[in-house]
Formats: sequence, structure tokens, C-alpha cells
Amino acid sequence: AQRVTQPEKLLSVFKGAPVELKCNYSYSGSPELFWYVQYSRQRLQLLLRHISRESIKGFTADLNKGETSFHLKKPFAQEEDSAMYYCALRGGGSQGNLIFGKGTKLSVKP
Amino acid sequence: DGGITQSPKYLFRKEGQNVTLSCEQNLNHDAMYWYRQDPGQGLRLIYYSQIVNDFQKGDIAEGYSVSREKKESFPLTVTSAQKNPTAFYLCASRVGQGAAEAFFGQGTRLTVV
Repeated sequence: AQRVTQPEKLLSVFKGAPVELKCNYSYSGSPELFWYVQYSRQRLQLLLRHISRESIKGFTADLNKGETSFHLKKPFAQEEDSAMYYCALRGGGSQGNLIFGKGTKLSVKP
Repeated sequence: DGGITQSPKYLFRKEGQNVTLSCEQNLNHDAMYWYRQDPGQGLRLIYYSQIVNDFQKGDIAEGYSVSREKKESFPLTVTSAQKNPTAFYLCASRVGQGAAEAFFGQGTRLTVV
């Protein structure tokens, strides 16, 4: 079964603290994973994809096939990082639909 | 301004009435999607369309219907058969079925009273 699990509904940290949003996946083939972010009153948008191995707004995510994880990390959280974060997996088959986790709400306190 | 436009932003309907949510895109994308977003549930796929005049059921299609008569438009009808229609609905599009990135609309919050 293809599944994305985000175990934390809410993550609260103080400004300047490290943050890690967890994501685990279940997929039989070679996965393609993404992090989407939804800031307050803004539309859901792509933050980063594992294939690019990029850092966006200080966030990075490494695909760990052994642990089937794709955790999102940032060494020093900022208040503007407060948002809803969704991990997503591109499913198999001809459609390749995106499969989303349930999301983690990140709250960064001053 | 290119992108995906959902209208209206807020919608109220009486129980038992059908209601249609609009989704228009000018990105020239082939694939379009409807998701339902509930607190603690994430995004759940209702219907998707890979090309004009074709669409497929997603994971929670019961009580919903769609059409794709034009490339730019993918309206969603929430019928009276949908048992719990009050939710936030998101429309998205991708260049094609193999594309990585999905682009989302601002969403429509439907409240059925």
C-alpha cells in the first residue's frame, strides 16, 4: 500500500530552535517525495522535492530509503515558518497521483 | 496573473441542495484535481482528470460529481448524497500526469446548514 505518515499533528518550538517535521512513507518502488507548505491565508505550495536536493528557506529534507523517511529539518526556526506542512508521495501507476500525509502544524513561538 | 482560481471563497448551502464549486486554470495544464481538506485528515482526493472529457474517481468520490468539458475548467458538484459536505475544498493542477509539482487554488470553504 502507498501511504504517507506524519506522526505529529502539532509541533511547537521557540524561535531559533532546531525543528524536524517527521515523514515516513510506504511505497514498493523508487519513491518521489515532496514537502508542501500552507501559510496562513495562502494557498498550498511546493516547498521542496527530494530529487532536487535543495534547501529552501533554510529547510532541507533527505530521503532515507532504509528508514523509509523524508524528514524536514531546519537548524534555526523563525516565526514566519509557522504553517501547515504536508509530506507527499507521488504514487505509482499511470496517474502518478500525489498522496498526502495528514499534515503537521508548526508553531514557532517568539 | 496566471494560476488557479477557485470561486467562491465561502459558500453556504442548505442541507439537501446540490452545490457546484468552480475551478479555473490558465496554466495550460492537462491534469486537474479536487481534494477535500479536513482538520487532522490531510488532503483526500475526490476526483481527478488527466485530460479533457475524461475523469476518474479518487479515494472519496461518493456524493460528488465532476465534469471536464474544457481544459481550463474542472467544476465539482457536491450533491445531497454527500453525508458530510461541510469542508474546505482545494483544486489543483499539474502539467501532466507525470509532473511532479501540483499548483493549488486558494480553496472554497463550504458550509452546509
